Amino acid sequence: EPEVTQTPSHQVTQMGQEVILRCVPISNHLYFYWYRQILGQKVEFLVSFYNNEISEKSEIFDDQFSVERPDGSNFTLKIRSTKLEDSAMYFCASSTGGRWPQHFGDGTRLSIL
Amino acid sequence: GNSVTQMEGPVTLSEEAFLTINCTYTATGYPSLFWYVQYPGEGLQLLLKATKADDKGSNKGFEATYRKETTSFHLEKGSVQVSDSAVYFCALTHNAGKSTFGDGTTLTVKP
Repeated sequence: EPEVTQTPSHQVTQMGQEVILRCVPISNHLYFYWYRQILGQKVEFLVSFYNNEISEKSEIFDDQFSVERPDGSNFTLKIRSTKLEDSAMYFCASSTGGRWPQHFGDGTRLSIL
Repeated sequence: GNSVTQMEGPVTLSEEAFLTINCTYTATGYPSLFWYVQYPGEGLQLLLKATKADDKGSNKGFEATYRKETTSFHLEKGSVQVSDSAVYFCALTHNAGKSTFGDGTTLTVKP
Protein backbone atom coordinates (compact mmCIF):
# COMPACT_ATOMS: atom_id res chain seq x y z
CA GLU A 1 0.00 0.00 0.00
CA PRO A 2 1.37 3.47 -0.84
CA GLU A 3 2.76 5.39 2.10
CA VAL A 4 3.60 8.92 3.08
CA THR A 5 7.31 9.05 3.89
CA GLN A 6 9.03 11.60 6.07
CA THR A 7 12.68 12.39 6.56
CA PRO A 8 14.56 12.61 8.79
CA SER A 9 12.95 10.57 11.53
CA HIS A 10 14.74 12.65 14.17
CA GLN A 11 16.26 16.12 13.79
CA VAL A 12 18.28 17.85 16.50
CA THR A 13 18.90 21.56 15.94
CA GLN A 14 20.27 24.49 17.89
CA MET A 15 17.81 27.22 18.78
CA GLY A 16 17.76 29.96 16.16
CA GLN A 17 18.78 27.67 13.33
CA GLU A 18 16.69 26.95 10.27
CA VAL A 19 15.29 23.47 9.80
CA ILE A 20 13.60 21.82 6.82
CA LEU A 21 11.38 18.79 7.30
CA ARG A 22 10.73 16.70 4.22
CA CYS A 23 7.77 14.64 3.13
CA VAL A 24 6.89 12.59 0.08
CA PRO A 25 3.09 12.34 -0.11
CA ILE A 26 1.24 9.53 -1.87
CA SER A 27 1.68 10.13 -5.57
CA ASN A 28 -1.93 10.63 -6.71
CA HIS A 29 -2.95 12.74 -3.72
CA LEU A 30 -3.79 16.39 -4.21
CA TYR A 31 -4.11 17.76 -0.68
CA PHE A 32 -1.16 18.05 1.69
CA TYR A 33 -0.95 18.89 5.37
CA TRP A 34 1.39 19.43 8.24
CA TYR A 35 0.45 18.75 11.85
CA ARG A 36 2.46 18.78 15.02
CA GLN A 37 2.18 16.92 18.31
CA ILE A 38 3.99 18.24 21.34
CA LEU A 39 4.92 15.35 23.60
CA GLY A 40 1.87 14.05 25.45
CA GLN A 41 -0.50 16.54 23.84
CA LYS A 42 -3.06 16.50 21.06
CA VAL A 43 -2.34 16.60 17.35
CA GLU A 44 -2.55 20.21 16.12
CA PHE A 45 -3.19 21.38 12.58
CA LEU A 46 -0.54 23.66 11.09
CA VAL A 47 -1.29 24.12 7.40
CA SER A 48 -3.06 22.67 4.38
CA PHE A 49 -1.82 22.99 0.82
CA TYR A 50 -3.69 22.47 -2.43
CA ASN A 51 -3.07 23.50 -6.02
CA ASN A 52 0.35 24.91 -5.12
CA GLU A 53 -0.86 27.29 -2.49
CA ILE A 54 -1.78 27.35 1.17
CA SER A 55 -5.50 26.76 1.58
CA GLU A 56 -5.66 27.16 5.34
CA LYS A 57 -3.27 27.75 8.21
CA SER A 58 -3.55 27.85 11.98
CA GLU A 59 -2.42 30.50 14.45
CA ILE A 60 0.64 28.37 15.14
CA PHE A 61 1.78 28.76 11.52
CA ASP A 62 3.31 32.21 11.86
CA ASP A 63 5.90 33.99 9.71
CA GLN A 64 8.62 31.63 10.91
CA PHE A 65 6.96 28.76 9.06
CA SER A 66 6.72 28.15 5.33
CA VAL A 67 5.78 25.24 3.08
CA GLU A 68 6.82 24.37 -0.41
CA ARG A 69 6.23 21.72 -3.02
CA PRO A 70 9.41 22.21 -4.98
CA ASP A 71 9.25 19.43 -7.53
CA GLY A 72 5.89 17.69 -7.69
CA SER A 73 6.83 14.90 -5.32
CA ASN A 74 8.29 16.51 -2.18
CA PHE A 75 6.42 18.66 0.30
CA THR A 76 8.56 20.55 2.80
CA LEU A 77 8.03 22.46 6.01
CA LYS A 78 10.64 25.09 6.86
CA ILE A 79 11.04 26.73 10.24
CA ARG A 80 13.23 29.77 9.73
CA SER A 81 14.50 30.46 13.25
CA THR A 82 13.66 27.64 15.62
CA LYS A 83 12.57 28.17 19.21
CA LEU A 84 12.61 25.76 22.13
CA GLU A 85 8.83 25.48 21.94
CA ASP A 86 9.06 24.16 18.37
CA SER A 87 10.22 20.84 19.80
CA ALA A 88 7.54 18.36 18.79
CA MET A 89 6.69 15.51 16.46
CA TYR A 90 5.76 16.87 13.04
CA PHE A 91 3.45 14.81 10.87
CA CYS A 92 2.90 15.18 7.15
CA ALA A 93 -0.35 13.92 5.65
CA SER A 94 -1.96 13.73 2.23
CA SER A 95 -5.38 12.92 0.84
CA THR A 96 -7.25 12.63 -2.45
CA GLY A 97 -9.90 15.13 -1.44
CA GLY A 98 -10.91 17.53 1.30
CA ARG A 99 -13.32 15.17 3.04
CA TRP A 100 -11.35 11.98 2.49
CA PRO A 101 -9.13 10.26 5.03
CA GLN A 102 -5.70 11.71 5.45
CA HIS A 103 -2.78 9.32 5.27
CA PHE A 104 -0.06 10.19 7.74
CA GLY A 105 3.67 9.66 7.69
CA ASP A 106 5.54 8.30 10.69
CA GLY A 107 6.60 11.78 11.69
CA THR A 108 9.81 13.69 12.30
CA ARG A 109 10.80 14.23 15.90
CA LEU A 110 12.27 17.74 16.11
CA SER A 111 14.38 18.51 19.17
CA ILE A 112 15.52 22.10 19.69
CA LEU A 113 18.46 22.57 22.05
CA GLY B 1 -15.14 26.50 15.47
CA ASN B 2 -14.95 22.74 15.21
CA SER B 3 -14.02 20.67 18.22
CA VAL B 4 -13.74 17.03 19.27
CA THR B 5 -14.10 15.80 22.84
CA GLN B 6 -12.85 12.38 23.76
CA MET B 7 -13.33 10.29 26.83
CA GLU B 8 -10.49 10.94 29.22
CA GLY B 9 -7.94 8.23 29.70
CA PRO B 10 -6.01 6.27 30.37
CA VAL B 11 -8.17 3.19 29.95
CA THR B 12 -6.92 -0.14 31.26
CA LEU B 13 -8.70 -3.37 30.36
CA SER B 14 -8.10 -7.07 30.61
CA GLU B 15 -7.77 -9.10 27.44
CA GLU B 16 -11.15 -10.02 25.89
CA ALA B 17 -12.96 -7.19 27.68
CA PHE B 18 -15.41 -4.89 25.87
CA LEU B 19 -14.07 -1.49 24.86
CA THR B 20 -15.90 1.80 24.45
CA ILE B 21 -14.12 5.11 23.91
CA ASN B 22 -16.56 8.00 23.74
CA CYS B 23 -16.21 10.78 21.20
CA THR B 24 -18.49 13.76 20.65
CA TYR B 25 -18.00 16.62 18.25
CA THR B 26 -19.09 20.16 17.51
CA ALA B 27 -19.11 21.25 13.90
CA THR B 28 -21.15 23.14 11.37
CA GLY B 29 -22.55 21.19 8.48
CA TYR B 30 -21.70 17.57 7.87
CA PRO B 31 -18.12 16.64 8.63
CA SER B 32 -16.48 13.30 7.97
CA LEU B 33 -15.48 11.44 11.13
CA PHE B 34 -12.45 9.27 11.73
CA TRP B 35 -10.68 7.20 14.33
CA TYR B 36 -6.89 7.08 14.14
CA VAL B 37 -4.59 4.83 16.17
CA GLN B 38 -1.02 5.60 17.22
CA TYR B 39 1.18 2.75 18.39
CA PRO B 40 4.22 3.61 20.53
CA GLY B 41 6.88 5.38 18.51
CA GLU B 42 4.83 5.37 15.33
CA GLY B 43 2.71 7.75 13.29
CA LEU B 44 -1.04 8.00 13.00
CA GLN B 45 -2.86 5.20 11.21
CA LEU B 46 -6.42 5.45 9.98
CA LEU B 47 -8.52 2.90 11.86
CA LEU B 48 -11.98 3.59 10.45
CA LYS B 49 -14.12 6.31 8.95
CA ALA B 50 -17.71 7.45 8.37
CA THR B 51 -18.67 10.18 5.96
CA LYS B 52 -22.39 10.69 6.61
CA ALA B 53 -25.02 10.24 9.28
CA ASP B 54 -25.78 6.63 10.29
CA ASP B 55 -22.71 5.31 8.49
CA LYS B 56 -20.90 2.62 10.44
CA GLY B 57 -17.15 2.41 10.05
CA SER B 58 -15.46 -0.88 10.92
CA ASN B 59 -11.98 -2.36 10.80
CA LYS B 60 -10.05 -5.03 12.73
CA GLY B 61 -13.05 -5.68 15.00
CA PHE B 62 -13.46 -1.99 15.87
CA GLU B 63 -16.70 -0.19 15.03
CA ALA B 64 -18.09 3.33 15.27
CA THR B 65 -21.41 4.77 14.09
CA TYR B 66 -21.88 8.37 12.97
CA ARG B 67 -24.76 9.65 15.13
CA LYS B 68 -25.82 13.09 14.00
CA GLU B 69 -28.60 13.40 16.58
CA THR B 70 -26.15 12.99 19.46
CA THR B 71 -23.10 14.36 17.55
CA SER B 72 -21.18 11.27 18.59
CA PHE B 73 -18.82 8.70 17.07
CA HIS B 74 -18.04 6.27 19.87
CA LEU B 75 -15.42 3.58 19.24
CA GLU B 76 -16.25 0.02 20.30
CA LYS B 77 -14.64 -3.39 20.19
CA GLY B 78 -16.18 -6.54 21.56
CA SER B 79 -13.00 -8.28 22.70
CA VAL B 80 -9.72 -6.39 23.01
CA GLN B 81 -6.27 -7.91 22.67
CA VAL B 82 -2.92 -6.91 24.15
CA SER B 83 -1.90 -5.78 20.66
CA ASP B 84 -4.67 -3.15 20.72
CA SER B 85 -2.72 -1.17 23.32
CA ALA B 86 -2.20 2.26 21.74
CA VAL B 87 -3.43 5.84 21.73
CA TYR B 88 -6.73 6.37 19.91
CA PHE B 89 -7.67 9.71 18.37
CA CYS B 90 -11.11 10.77 17.20
CA ALA B 91 -11.04 13.39 14.42
CA LEU B 92 -13.32 15.28 12.09
CA THR B 93 -12.66 16.75 8.67
CA HIS B 94 -14.62 19.31 6.70
CA ASN B 95 -14.59 20.14 3.01
CA ALA B 96 -11.51 22.30 3.52
CA GLY B 97 -9.61 19.22 4.60
CA LYS B 98 -8.24 20.46 7.90
CA SER B 99 -8.64 17.77 10.55
CA THR B 100 -9.50 18.55 14.14
CA PHE B 101 -8.36 15.95 16.64
CA GLY B 102 -9.47 14.99 20.11
CA ASP B 103 -6.94 14.79 22.93
CA GLY B 104 -6.40 11.08 22.44
CA THR B 105 -7.20 8.18 24.75
CA THR B 106 -4.48 5.79 25.87
CA LEU B 107 -5.62 2.18 25.98
CA THR B 108 -3.63 -0.46 27.83
CA VAL B 109 -4.76 -4.08 27.56
CA LYS B 110 -3.35 -6.50 30.12
CA PRO B 111 -3.07 -10.25 29.55
